[in-house]
Amino acid sequence: EVQLVESGGGLVQSGRSLRLSCAASGFIFNDYAMHWVRQAPGRGLEWVSGITWNSGRIDYADSVKGRFTISRDNAKNSLYLQMNSLTLEDTAVYFCTTGVFWGQGTLITVSS
Amino acid sequence: QLVLTQSPSASASLGASVKLTCTLSSGYSTYDINWHQHQPGRGPRFLMDLKYDGSHTKGDGIADRFSGSSSGPERHLIISSLQSEDEADYYCQTWGPGIRAVFGGGTKLTVL
Repeated sequence: EVQLVESGGGLVQSGRSLRLSCAASGFIFNDYAMHWVRQAPGRGLEWVSGITWNSGRIDYADSVKGRFTISRDNAKNSLYLQMNSLTLEDTAVYFCTTGVFWGQGTLITVSS
Repeated sequence: QLVLTQSPSASASLGASVKLTCTLSSGYSTYDINWHQHQPGRGPRFLMDLKYDGSHTKGDGIADRFSGSSSGPERHLIISSLQSEDEADYYCQTWGPGIRAVFGGGTKLTVL
């Protein structure tokens, strides 16, 4: 059974940092590019960042560029998102996905 | 610029059929897209990969009631024999440039 399980969410003050993790199982992790997608309250899905299977290509949405860093560890079947300088606008549920397989999401709430 | 446009809402009666539309911006009319279903409190679910010629490949376990079609820049998701559990937000999504993902704004489907 394919599983993507996000962790690391929570309540954090504006300006602070947080690191999300996504543990993958049930499929060949290093066959897939991986992405983080978020959904802010009352809003639609927004692509945040993506990374190719070998980390050779990485990209970010303009809204997070320079603040967020995506990485992966194929040996651990894991995806990460280091989030720095968080703002209120980063409050959202964060999902990891291959584009086909999706996790359940982890909630980040940024407070002032 | 690559943009996917969806109507914000749609409704149809239990047992009826509904067609949701996603329109690709000018210059991108041959792009393939994906359809995803998102129910509140859950992770999104991949429904299908829909190509410019209307051919589509559904995700594992997706019911036969879900199908897709294409016409020029329009990509359609057709749901027949609507059931209450089909009430959800539906997003179209495509790739580009590079490994970026682009989402439509989503259509909230209400089953009457």
